[in-house]
Amino acid sequence: QSVLTQPPSASGTPGQRVTISCSGSSSNIGSNHVYWHQQVPGTAPKLLIYRNNQRPSGVPDRFSGSKSGTSASLAISGLRSEDEADYYCAVWDDRLSGVVFGGGTRLTVL
Amino acid sequence: QVQLQQWGAGLLKPAETLSLSCDVSGGSLSGYYWNWIRQPPGKGLEWIGETNSRGGTNYNPSLKSRVGISVDTSKNQFSLKLNSVTAADTAVYYCARRIDFRSAYLDYWGQGILVTVSS
Repeated sequence: QSVLTQPPSASGTPGQRVTISCSGSSSNIGSNHVYWHQQVPGTAPKLLIYRNNQRPSGVPDRFSGSKSGTSASLAISGLRSEDEADYYCAVWDDRLSGVVFGGGTRLTVL
Repeated sequence: QVQLQQWGAGLLKPAETLSLSCDVSGGSLSGYYWNWIRQPPGKGLEWIGETNSRGGTNYNPSLKSRVGISVDTSKNQFSLKLNSVTAADTAVYYCARRIDFRSAYLDYWGQGILVTVSS
C-alpha cells in the first residue's frame, strides 16, 4: 500500500487532455515539493516535473504539474501515442524521513 | 552529462546477500544524495535508502534492519547490500541521484538491474 494514492489507470485519445492525480497528507505533499516521473515499460524512470510545476529541459510543455494542499496533479495536453507509459508521483515524507512514491498510473492512448 | 552505471549479481538464493554497485561518471559525488530504489515485477517503486559523499546514510524503516549503503569517493561509486533475501526481494533495482535537502528530486537514474531470488 503506497503512502501516496494515484489512480491505477487513465486513458485518452490522441489530442485529448488527461490529468493524473496524486493524493497524500500533511507530512508529504502538504509540506514538500511534488515530483513526477515517466516510465516506459522496460526502462528506467525519467524525471518529468520537478518542484511541483517545473519542467526539465527537453520535456515538452504539453506536460504540466500543479499542487494544492495535500494533492497534486499531472496534466498532459495534446496526447500522443508516445505518452503511453506509467507515471509516478514522488515526495519527501517528513514523518518517514525518506522518499515516498505513488503506486503509479498506467496511461493508455486509445 | 551525469551517467549512472549499475552492476552486480542478478540471481541469488534465499538467505544470501544482495550486493550491487553504481558507478557515477560525468560528475562528483559531493553535494548530492545517492539513492537505491527498487521495483518488483509489475509493481510500483519503493525507496530503499541513500548515502551522501561523507558516508552518512538514511534508510527506509521497513528495510533498515537488512540494508547497508556505502560510498567510495576514490572510485566515484556507491553500493547496496541487502542481507537475508527472500523471494519478496525479487525486483529491478535502480540507483539514482537526489538533489536538495528533504526533497524527492531524483534527476538521474541508472539503467536498472533485475535481481531474482530463487532456490
